[in-house]
This record gives sequence, structure tokens and C-alpha cells, in this order.
Amino acid sequence: AQSVAQPEDQVNVAEGNPLTVKCTYSVSGNPYLFWYVQYPNRGLQFLLKYITGDNLVKGSYGFEAEFNKSQTSFHLKKPSALVSDSALYFCAVRVKVYNKLIFGAGTRLAVHP
Amino acid sequence: EAGVAQSPRYKIIEKRQSVAFWCNPISGHATLYWYQQILGQGPKLLIQFQNNGVVDDSQLPKDRFSAERLKGVDSTLKIQPAKLEDSAVYLCASSLEGGLNEKLFFGSGTQLSVL
Repeated sequence: AQSVAQPEDQVNVAEGNPLTVKCTYSVSGNPYLFWYVQYPNRGLQFLLKYITGDNLVKGSYGFEAEFNKSQTSFHLKKPSALVSDSALYFCAVRVKVYNKLIFGAGTRLAVHP
Repeated sequence: EAGVAQSPRYKIIEKRQSVAFWCNPISGHATLYWYQQILGQGPKLLIQFQNNGVVDDSQLPKDRFSAERLKGVDSTLKIQPAKLEDSAVYLCASSLEGGLNEKLFFGSGTQLSVL
């Protein structure tokens, strides 16, 4: 079976500070990893993905994520947070044998001025 | 390009009533997904279509939920009869071919309240 864990329900960050939203996964086989963001009353939007290659992937709005195979993690990062980054962030994983996108429970990011 | 369209935006019904949701995916997208998002949880896949065929419906409560995508374009998801625990946001998404590395495009969702 495949699963995704987001250990923090909420992350609070001051504007201008770096942010990290954590994600760990458990799969059989090579994972395809994704981050999506959900703003209030809107659907999920794709941020970035890791398929293969460089462990550091860059995505939309200045976000990046680091794939760590030994720690089975895919943490989302941004060097300098903006108030407009405040939203709900979901990590998701997909593997070949199941071919379904499984989401974590989500982490609410609150960036304070 | 037009996004994934869903309707209605909100629906309030009483338990044991029936309800239907509609989704029109991005033009040319072969794969369509219905997800259920209960408050405080991540989206859970209910059913995945490839054109008009079902790829995965393992988590669809088939005694009360049904979905169809007859012409391989738009889709409807029905609940009959509804239960209190069906209160959730129902998200429709589409992707080009359903490949493992493809990103999904989501609609804004239908928020269902069962009273």
C-alpha cells in the first residue's frame, strides 16, 4: 500500500522568513511525488513534482522541494515567505503498481506580517 | 485555456435524498477523477476514468455512489441515498493521459452538506 504523512497540521511563519512544510511517504517502488496548494473556496493547484533526477526541484511561486530517498521525505521549502502564501498544502504520491494519486491530510500554512 | 468546470458550487440536502454533481474536464483530457475531500482530510480518490472506461473505483461506495462518463467527456457523480457522513467537498480533476508523472487540474469543487 502507499501512504503519505504530513506531520504538522499547521505551520506558522513570519513574512520574510524561510518556510518548510514536511512530508514523508511510504510506497513500494519508485515514487512520483507532488505538492499541491489549495486557496480558500478553490480547487487544488499544482506546485511542483519529483519524477527522477536532481533531488531539488523548483516549482511555481518560488517554491522548491527536496527529495530524500533515505529518509523517504519530500519537504516543501521557500526561502522567503509571503503573506499570500497562506493556504492549505497537500503532498501526494503515485506509484506504478497502483497508478492512483494519494494525498496527505494537508498542512495549513499561516504567514504573519 | 478553460479549466475544469463543476456544478453546482454548493448543495444542501437531507439524508436519504439523492444528489448529482456534474464535471466538464479540460478539452482533450482523457483521464477524469472524482475525489472526496472531508473537512480536515486530504482528497480521497473515488473513481478514475480513462476516456469512458473505469480505471479504478475501489474506494467508491457502490451501494450508494455511482458515476458515469458516457461519451468520454463530461461526467456525473450521483449519491442515492445520501448519508450524513457524505458531507464533503467533491472535487473533479482531469489530466491529459493519466500518466504517472502528469499533474492533475482540479475544478473548484461542489460542497455538499447533508442534514
